[in-house]
Amino acid sequence: DTEVTQTPKHLVMGMTNKKSLKCEQHMGHRAMYWYKQKAKKPPELMFVYSYEKLSINESVPSRFSPECPNSSLLNLHLHALQPEDSALYLCASSQDPRTDTQYFGPGTRLTVL
Amino acid sequence: GENVEQHPSTLSVQEGDSAVIKCTYSDSASNYFPWYKQELGKRPQLIIDIRSNVGEKKDQRIAVTLNKTAKHFSLHITETQPEDSAVYFCAASIGAGGGADGLTFGKGTHLIIQP
Repeated sequence: DTEVTQTPKHLVMGMTNKKSLKCEQHMGHRAMYWYKQKAKKPPELMFVYSYEKLSINESVPSRFSPECPNSSLLNLHLHALQPEDSALYLCASSQDPRTDTQYFGPGTRLTVL
Repeated sequence: GENVEQHPSTLSVQEGDSAVIKCTYSDSASNYFPWYKQELGKRPQLIIDIRSNVGEKKDQRIAVTLNKTAKHFSLHITETQPEDSAVYFCAASIGAGGGADGLTFGKGTHLIIQP
């Protein structure tokens, strides 16, 4: 398996909802990343997990909560989001923290009403 | 932190001609420079990358050059085809030796191939 997968593909939620995004890879990669991409903008780094430990948090609001339950899975828990959080959320992985080549999943398109 | 500038924001070329996209970076510690292609509604796909110990890398119609002294790198696409139409992002990473590092992206170039 040479892919990063993400579920769901689309998500619509209200500002009081709690939801989770899921990312999975079975390539044995030990670094995983969350990026946020607004329309017509580049991806922006949110979080980095290295060997299942959070190593970078780019000053992301606490309404976004990442979790790495094991080396293949990465979750992003969402709570009390704002309409401006609507975006494409991309997960990526790389072989290990010293190998920079990152492969992206297809993303989850999130709409917050 | 790292800052990556990318130009032009839009590039229109005739099919069969060459396209060049340029990026500059600010942090001299950056040592990895990938290029991604993103079609509408799809994920960014890595098309080529270069590390700071290499000046040039080529893969069929695509090449990347890096000038560490000037802190800039460029993507060259020759013999452009309609399927090359997409948004191209350059990126930079400090990476290596100390933990995973995320990518800092340029703002993107919308490449349009005119038939």
